[in-house]
Parts: sequence; C-alpha cells; structure tokens
Amino acid sequence: DTAVSQTPKYLVTQMGNDKSIKCEQNLGHDTMYWYKQDSKKFLKIMFSYNNKELIINETVPNRFSPKSPDKAHLNLHINSLELGDSAVYFCASSRGGLTTYEQYFGPGTRLTVT
Amino acid sequence: KQEVTQIPAALSVPEGENLVLNCSFTDSAIYNLQWFRQDPGKGLTSLLLIQSSQREQTSGRLNASLDKSSGRSTLYIAASQPGDSATYLCAVNSGNTPLVFGKGTRLSVIA
Repeated sequence: DTAVSQTPKYLVTQMGNDKSIKCEQNLGHDTMYWYKQDSKKFLKIMFSYNNKELIINETVPNRFSPKSPDKAHLNLHINSLELGDSAVYFCASSRGGLTTYEQYFGPGTRLTVT
Repeated sequence: KQEVTQIPAALSVPEGENLVLNCSFTDSAIYNLQWFRQDPGKGLTSLLLIQSSQREQTSGRLNASLDKSSGRSTLYIAASQPGDSATYLCAVNSGNTPLVFGKGTRLSVIA
C-alpha cells in the first residue's frame, strides 16, 4: 500500500497555465507538507498543514495555493506558471506537529514549464 | 538561521567497503535529525531518525550518530553494496520550524 501518493508523476505545461498537483496519505497523519526540489537538488519547504490548518508558509509566490480538504489530502494549485516553477514537488506527512515525528515522502511530481 | 552542510558532495567506493557520510548543522538547538535516501527520479525514503536526546540509531547495516553539542551527525554504512548507490540527505528539525535539508551526498558503490 502506498503511504503518501501524488498525482500526476509528470506534468509538462506551458507558461501562463494553471495546474494542480494532488497528494494523499493513508497513514492517519495529522501534518502534511509540500517541498520543492530545484535543479540543483536542493530541497526546501513550501507549506505545512496540521489538521487542515496552514501552519507554515515559507516565502513562496502567492501564485502557489495549497488546499487541504481533509487531513488525508493536501493539494497544490499553481496559477500563471513560470519557467522558474520547473522543479520536482514532493508531498510529505508526519504523525504529529513539526517537532518530533518522522516525515514520510511521496514519490514526487516533476513539473516542466515550457 | 539553521544551515546544514553535507560532506563530501559525492563519494565512490568499491563494494564491500565501510563508509561514513557527514552532516553538520550550525544551530545545536535541535529536536531531531533525520537521514533520508533518494534514488534517481524517486522520492525520499526515511532511513533513521535520531531524537536530540539520543546518541545513535541503528537499522541493519546503517548506523547514525548524533553529537548535538558539536553540531555533527554521521551515517555509517557497513559492507556497502551496489544497491546502496543513491543520494543521502540529512535534515534537521529545530522545533516548530520546517525541516532544513543538506544538499546531500551522492554515493556510488562499484561492483
């Protein structure tokens, strides 16, 4: 059984389009995250939700909007895509808040903006 | 601001060797440290989580140590195998802040 799943796995789109990436976890975790891994493989947090409430919002353009319909899902919507948005986006989850628990990652969504 | 550094950036070893990957962090006030493995084109797999009160954790051929006061952690891999080839990432949790990742060490184990 997949613990943290993301769809789609690959996403190729043109500049200016709007796209969404979906994430689901079946681990019963309370906290979910979105990370971005750039072309230099550097992994950085974008957002974190705990029990559907936004608790971390790093310096990310407001074209990026996370949505958590329930504890098991955290979707990422991106408006007006730009070339610099090309990256791999990872969803993750953990049991509790930020301090103590191990984070589990999804397989990633490779976004290419042309 | 927490910064995490991993040295070396890349490492190539013959099969069967024992090896050590290094991770250092600038702020020793951490809650825990997590080691991950990332295979090309894949997500991250958690290997070991060390809480700040612990000195080491072991899982199979992997042993991770933590010296909080000096801001260092090591990941020891015994009897390396070609299947261990991957990028190994260290991430530090400093409390109610996001995980801060190092840039990783790319390991190649040559058969």
